Amino acid sequence: GIQVEQSPPDLILQEGANSTLRCNFSDSVNNLQWFHQNPWGQLINLFYIPSGTKQNGRLSATTVATERYSLLYISSSQTTDSGVYFCAVAPFDAGNNRKLIWGLGTSLAVNP
Amino acid sequence: SQTIHQWPATLVQPVGSPLSLECTVEGTSNPNLYWYRQAAGRGLQLLFYSVGIGQISSEVPQNLSASRPQDRQFILSSKKLLLSDSGFYLCAWSPTTETQYFGPGTRLLVL
Repeated sequence: GIQVEQSPPDLILQEGANSTLRCNFSDSVNNLQWFHQNPWGQLINLFYIPSGTKQNGRLSATTVATERYSLLYISSSQTTDSGVYFCAVAPFDAGNNRKLIWGLGTSLAVNP
Repeated sequence: SQTIHQWPATLVQPVGSPLSLECTVEGTSNPNLYWYRQAAGRGLQLLFYSVGIGQISSEVPQNLSASRPQDRQFILSSKKLLLSDSGFYLCAWSPTTETQYFGPGTRLLVL
C-alpha cells in the first residue's frame, strides 16, 4: 500500500522562527490533507491540498503531486503552534475520502 | 454549523470488560463517519468507516466492532477489552470527498 513519510520527526523552534515540514508519499493520490493536533489531542484540519499552493495566515502548503511530496510552511511561529502536524493521503482507489493513510507526524515545540 | 461530540472523554476499564464509545454529529445529514485509534506514539489507525445507516466497513481485524444505528450516531464497542485496546479513540466525519473533521476523542486505559 501507499507509504507516507514525514520529516523531521521532531522540531524545536524559538518563537518567531520559520519552519518547513515535509511529507513524501509513495504513489499517486487524489486527496492530501494537513492536520494539527494540539497538546490536548484535538485534531484540526489545516489544508486540503492534493496539488498546488494554499495559504492561511501564517501557514501555507504546497503539494507537487508529480514528485509526490507536500510541504507545510509555518512562518513567525508562536507557542500555540506547538503540537503534532500530520500529513494524510488517499490513493486514487480509496474512493470518496474513505481511507486516509496517515504519516507518523512531526512533533513541533515552540519555545517562548 | 456542524459539531461532533464524543463521550466519555476518559475511561479506565479492566481487561475483559465490555466497551461502548459514542460519537454524534450535529448540523449535517448523511455524513461519512470514521473511528480511528491513536496509540502511544503518534500514528492514527483507521478502524471503521460508514457511509450510511447500518453500513460499516472494517479496516483492521480485532475484537472491536462498530454500529451506526442512526444517521448521525456512530458507536464503537467491544465485548471483552484487551490490554492492547488502550489508546486514544477519535471519531471523525466528512461531508464530501475532501476534509475530515474530528471530535475531541476518548482516552481509554485498559488495566
